[in-house]
Amino acid sequence: AQSVSQHNHHVILSEAASLELGCNYSYGGTVNLFWYVQYPGQHLQLLLKYFSGDPLVKGIKGFEAEFIKSKFSFNLRKPSVQWSDTAEYFCAVISYNTDKLIFGTGTRLQVFP
Amino acid sequence: SQTIHQWPATLVQPVGSPLSLECTVEGTSNPNLYWYRQAAGRGLQLLFYSVGIGQISSEVPQNLSASRPQDRQFILSSKKLLLSDSGFYLCASTYREDTEAFFGQGTRLTVV
Repeated sequence: AQSVSQHNHHVILSEAASLELGCNYSYGGTVNLFWYVQYPGQHLQLLLKYFSGDPLVKGIKGFEAEFIKSKFSFNLRKPSVQWSDTAEYFCAVISYNTDKLIFGTGTRLQVFP
Repeated sequence: SQTIHQWPATLVQPVGSPLSLECTVEGTSNPNLYWYRQAAGRGLQLLFYSVGIGQISSEVPQNLSASRPQDRQFILSSKKLLLSDSGFYLCASTYREDTEAFFGQGTRLTVV
């Protein structure tokens, strides 16, 4: 069955610290991968996406993610976080075979100045 | 890009009453449509999805049902609401598997 795991439920960082949020998926077929962000009181916003090609994808606001097919992972990174990055982050996977789009449980990031 | 219309934005319903939430899509044809429930700590839980008219896949056995009577219309229903049906419901659409999802504004449902 298709599933997405985000093992970091709550991450607390100081400004300028580096960030890496884990995302693993289980599905044997071809998938596309996404990271979405939800700022407090706002709706989901696409950060970045991977469809094919270079496994290192860059998104908005300095975020990037690397697709490692052998590890079924799509971790999100940012070299230096800002207070404004405080939000909840969701990894999502869509299957080519079924068109089923599922999300992880989310990681709440708090950045302190 | 696609625009998702979802209504109502908020709804308060008594236990045992019926429910109908509607979602319509503009800007594309033959979209994939999804209903999610978002709860704190649980992310977006996929409830139903549809790849075409009349085609519904149910992900979570529960008190809810979904229908797709038209290409760009997706309806979430219940015959009798339970307290546990309270939550934030999101409709989403993708054109194909290689496009991002677009979301409606969501419906905050409170069952009293």
